[in-house]
Parts: sequence; structure tokens; C-alpha cells
Amino acid sequence: SAVISQKPSRDICQRGTSLTIQCQVDSQVTMMFWYRQQPGQSLTLIATANQGSEATYESGFVIDKFPISRPNLTFSTLTVSNMSPEDSSIYLCSAKGQGATEAFFGQGTRLTVV
Amino acid sequence: TQLLEQSPQFLSIQEGENLTVYCNSSSVFSSLQWYRQEPGEGPVLLVTVVTGGEVKKLKRLTFQFGDARKDSSLHITAAQPGDTGLYLCAGVVGGTSYGKLTFGQGTILTVHP
Repeated sequence: SAVISQKPSRDICQRGTSLTIQCQVDSQVTMMFWYRQQPGQSLTLIATANQGSEATYESGFVIDKFPISRPNLTFSTLTVSNMSPEDSSIYLCSAKGQGATEAFFGQGTRLTVV
Repeated sequence: TQLLEQSPQFLSIQEGENLTVYCNSSSVFSSLQWYRQEPGEGPVLLVTVVTGGEVKKLKRLTFQFGDARKDSSLHITAAQPGDTGLYLCAGVVGGTSYGKLTFGQGTILTVHP
């Protein structure tokens, strides 16, 4: 298993600003992912964070809005840019080891945009 | 169209009752995982099933993987208030375990004392 630390755990932001969420894994992992979740609902995959190259985005998500970095095997950031109230959600970082079936999750970042 | 159909979406039961949550798909999964999530926390892995027909038990929780690896179920016996939470099934489509997870819609379980 992997321990994933995510920060901040929550934030309240003004519309039009940007927030960068950090994700640190305690061991080297092959794959890292970013999800969005409304409280009490399922997870929607935003993108796969690729080490040293551009992230792979899912349909409906674009790099300009959600730039992602992954400079090494244990760290990734997700930026929510030019925020609007519709971006209010929980953002979760996830990681999988090489050949692993299971994914592990950070505790999430609860973002409120006012 | 949801790749993984999870039902029911909501369950509200009394302590001591039994319940079953279902996860169905028309696609074959190399494996299926079940997660439980509490408010303010990320999903926590409960179990992974990989073999068609597999049954796994975790105390009062019983997990089954369908013979065709297209569906799974989670059965809880004698539910306790501590079982309250959001239950999520998730899997990787196809013949490899490597790749991104697809999640079901989730089941919000509330167990009343």
C-alpha cells in the first residue's frame, strides 16, 4: 500500500483565482491520477498525471483549466485555474504501483469557490 | 452511459439488518475493487476480486465476483452504525490490471442504531 498526503485539505477561494493542490506519495508509484467528487457521489477522473510529460485528460477536462505537473515518481500537483463556483468540489489524488490492481487515495481537498 | 452500474444508490437500514449492494456491467473486468469512504476522507480499499466466481470475506462483509467477471456484489451481515459510509465499486476494463479505474455511482449506506 501507499500513503498519500494531499494539501491543502480544504480551502475557500475567490472566483477568478487559481489554487494548486499538492499530492505526495510515500513510495515510488507508476501511475498517479486526479479525480473530482461531489459530496456523497462517485468519482470522476480528471486526468492521469504522467511523469515528465503532459498529463492525459479525460473528456470534458482541459489542460488550460486543470494544469497538472508530475516532476517525479512521488509528487504531483493539480491547479484549478480561473475558478468559478461550479469548481466547488472535492479533489482527490490517487496512485497505483507497477502492475497493481488497487489504487490508493489521499484524503482529498475540499474546495469552495465564492 | 455508466460503465459500472451500482445499486441501490441509497440504503437506510436499522442496526442488525443485512444488505447487499450490486455492481453490474456489460464489460468484462480484469479485477474489481470495493472501497468505503467516510466524509472528509478519501476512499479506502476494502477488497480486490480478480477471479470469476471468487468469494472473499472480510469479517461481516462478503464480496463476490461474477463468473463472467462482469458483476460483483457486497453483502453485509448484521450491519452496524460504524458501517455507515459511501461504498464504491471500481474496476479496470479489459484483460489487464494496468490502467485507470472506472467507478460505479456509489451507494450511500446509513445504519441507524
